[in-house]
Amino acid sequence: GQNIDQPTEMTATEGAIVQINCTYQTSGFNGLFWYQQHAGEAPTFLSYNVLDGLEEKGRFSSFLSRSKGYSYLLLKELQMKDSASYLCAVQDSNYQLIWGAGTKLIIKP
Amino acid sequence: GAVVSQHPSWVICKSGTSVKIECRSLDFQATTMFWYRQFPKQSLMLMATSNEGSKATYEQGVEKDKFLINHASLTLSTLTVTSAHPEDSSFYICSAREASGGANEQFFGPGTRLTVL
Repeated sequence: GQNIDQPTEMTATEGAIVQINCTYQTSGFNGLFWYQQHAGEAPTFLSYNVLDGLEEKGRFSSFLSRSKGYSYLLLKELQMKDSASYLCAVQDSNYQLIWGAGTKLIIKP
Repeated sequence: GAVVSQHPSWVICKSGTSVKIECRSLDFQATTMFWYRQFPKQSLMLMATSNEGSKATYEQGVEKDKFLINHASLTLSTLTVTSAHPEDSSFYICSAREASGGANEQFFGPGTRLTVL
């Protein structure tokens, strides 16, 4: 079966760095997405990785290792507004998104 | 970036009535649109995949006769919840994928919160 695993909840301090991990087992791979979702709102796109390595975009970076079925989202200089759920999703061989359950990130002052 | 709109943003209806939700891609053509449902504190659940001009593909456990999907054009898909019941109360989100490939990124609408009394 297809499976996406990510931690349910994480807590970090304002100004710090946090890494949210995602492991996956899917039938085929056509890219991995990270989305941010604030409570009561739709997801917003953060990053897309299809090749191994690190993609940096401002305070957010995403890493992918296809051989290990592993990705992480790195958030630097955390701000209170970063408190949200972070969803990992893998595009399978049919270009369908398989979603993780999401990681709720709590930022404390 | 690509913009997807949904209408209405929220709706309250009586049990037994039908509700139609529209999803539009505003500045791009979407050959494929997706309908998701999200219950509180849970992740997105794909309900169906809609391709322009053809019948929608429903996920297992989703009743096609209850959740009617129409994708009549490259910029519009509709989801009709027929004979809604309180257990259908949820956050319904659509997404659209551009026809011209690229990262095959899905662009999400803002969602529609449905409350069935």
